[in-house]
Amino acid sequence: GAVVSQHPSWVICKSGTSVKIECRSLDFQATTMFWYRQFPKQSLMLMATSNEGSKATYEQGVEKDKFLINHASLTLSTLTVTSAHPEDSSFYICSVGGAGLYFGPGTRLTVT
Amino acid sequence: GQQLNQSPQSMFIQEGEDVSMNCTSSSIFNTWLWYKQDPGEGPVLLIALYKAGELTSNGRLTAQFGITRKDSFLNISASIPSDVGIYFCAGGIQGAQKLVFGQGTRLTINP
Repeated sequence: GAVVSQHPSWVICKSGTSVKIECRSLDFQATTMFWYRQFPKQSLMLMATSNEGSKATYEQGVEKDKFLINHASLTLSTLTVTSAHPEDSSFYICSVGGAGLYFGPGTRLTVT
Repeated sequence: GQQLNQSPQSMFIQEGEDVSMNCTSSSIFNTWLWYKQDPGEGPVLLIALYKAGELTSNGRLTAQFGITRKDSFLNISASIPSDVGIYFCAGGIQGAQKLVFGQGTRLTINP
């Protein structure tokens, strides 16, 4: 399966600041990547679909101006949480498509 | 929107026992996938099912894609301590690209 990495694995930031999370597909050229969010003891919820060379597609209820997605190459997608608030604290996981769906190790964001 | 009902929510079993969990939906999915997630990590794909009625095994794991395309089950035989974790089913729309996840089944094994 595809190997997916994320950076950083965890980050703590102050309320009002912005945080960038990277998702890299190490052995698979991905025209599409997906960003999920998982709150503690809950399931994964799809936030948005990242499309290489074009705008991301956001799921209903996800603010596109708050969660900026850039998919500049076939191996890298970034998610920037702008003006973070404590309620944005969550586990953010990216995934890469293919014959199944492969997930990165996740990024734990804590906003204080 | 589309939802998956996964059950049971949690299981407490003895090592060596068999495990069964399932997911149902009111919507049809084109693919069903089963994942295991350990604390603080991303989900790991266990089994992917692409055809209604398909029965697939991966070692001690067996999963089936329901004939109606609205359900799937996962069985684990002869459980071992490393099977502990949270298991998620996921229904695929747009092929296996966009996924809808079940609520998860937390498996605890008593040695």
